[in-house]
Amino acid sequence: AQRVTQPEKLLSVFKGAPVELKCNYSYSGSPELFWYVQYSRQRLQLLLRHISRESIKGFTADLNKGETSFHLKKPFAQEEDSAMYYCALRGSGGYNKLIFGAGTRLAVHP
Amino acid sequence: ETGVTQSPTHLIKTRGQQVTLRCSSQSGHNTVSWYQQALGQGPQFIFQYYREEENGRGNFPPRFSGLQFPNYSSELNVNALELDDSALYLCASSSGTGMVYGYTFGSGTRLTVV
Repeated sequence: AQRVTQPEKLLSVFKGAPVELKCNYSYSGSPELFWYVQYSRQRLQLLLRHISRESIKGFTADLNKGETSFHLKKPFAQEEDSAMYYCALRGSGGYNKLIFGAGTRLAVHP
Repeated sequence: ETGVTQSPTHLIKTRGQQVTLRCSSQSGHNTVSWYQQALGQGPQFIFQYYREEENGRGNFPPRFSGLQFPNYSSELNVNALELDDSALYLCASSSGTGMVYGYTFGSGTRLTVV
């Protein structure tokens, strides 16, 4: 079965602390993975995708096929990072189906 | 360049009724996907339309149906509404059938079934 698991509903850190949002997936073959973010009162938007190996707003995510993980990391959290974060996996079938995790709310305190 | 727009923003319906939700895709995007997001959960894929045809469907019953028009806008229709259909319905557009640039999401329609 194709599945995305985000084990933490809430992650609470202080400003300047490192952040790691966990994501594990279940998929046969080569996965395409994404992180989406939803800031308060805004729409869901793409944060980063693993194929581009980019860093966006200081966030990075590395695909670990051995551990079937795609954790999102940032070395120093900022208050403006507070948001809902969703890990997503492109499902098989040749079309644009995304399988989302339940999401993790990141709260960064001053 | 315009983003994805959805209407209405909020809707209250009675169990058993039918509802139509609308979506205008981002300029240049020809693929529209619909998602259902229940409270406290991630979005769940309903179906996708490409060039006016449904070319992918999630685990939703046939009473969930859709249309895509020549201008790539789309509708989601739900018949015989049930209380569990209460959710945020998200429309997302993309270019072609690849996911290189990900989706552009709309703000959603909040449907409440009473």
